[in-house]
Amino acid sequence: SYVLTQPPSVSVAPGQTARITCGGNNIGSKSVHWYQQKPGQAPVLVVYDDSDRPSGIPERFSGSNSGNTATLTISRVEAGDEADYYCQVWDSSSDHYVFGTGTKVTVL
Amino acid sequence: QVQLVQSGAEVKKPGASVKVSCKASGYTFTSYGISWVRQAPGQGLEWMGWISAYNGNTNYAQKLQGRVTMTTDTSTSTAYMELRSLRSDDTAVYYCARKSDDIFDYWGQGTLVTVSS
Repeated sequence: SYVLTQPPSVSVAPGQTARITCGGNNIGSKSVHWYQQKPGQAPVLVVYDDSDRPSGIPERFSGSNSGNTATLTISRVEAGDEADYYCQVWDSSSDHYVFGTGTKVTVL
Repeated sequence: QVQLVQSGAEVKKPGASVKVSCKASGYTFTSYGISWVRQAPGQGLEWMGWISAYNGNTNYAQKLQGRVTMTTDTSTSTAYMELRSLRSDDTAVYYCARKSDDIFDYWGQGTLVTVSS
């Protein structure tokens, strides 16, 4: 089955840039979506189709996808961005959806 | 506005079944699918499957095949997820999410299911 690997944690100072990677075999050929989950809350879609943002999501959130790595970038990080982030794709070979292992973003 | 409202927390014994509901509003129910995702305590997100609210077609995760059934009631815009033969490792928060193409764009608030003897 298709596996998406994320770093367990990323730490960043306020105002700096956080980059969260999502590794998968030839992930650049797939559409990647990203979700933010704060403690005790349901996930929220923050980026879809590699780099598009739903309405209401700040421009500080952006995404890219190429080769074997997709990246979620959070610019000018704020305390409120502290959360777990998950990438997600559809795996055509299994016709199943797959989530990444998740990354905890800590704002120092 | 799109809303998915789930049923309340459940406590079940091993071997029992649980049925979680997800009532949708704010959009045309039959134009989208509903996916179910669960999250064990302190763990990541696990996709369980999805159902087309248009025609009832389903696609279940391999590991849950035979134990899970997803249904919809279009008259009430409600989706259901039933999980049978519950085990302790089924203890988790269960989420429904609206499926728009391959994106889960709106999520329910989650339902905690605890399996304990």
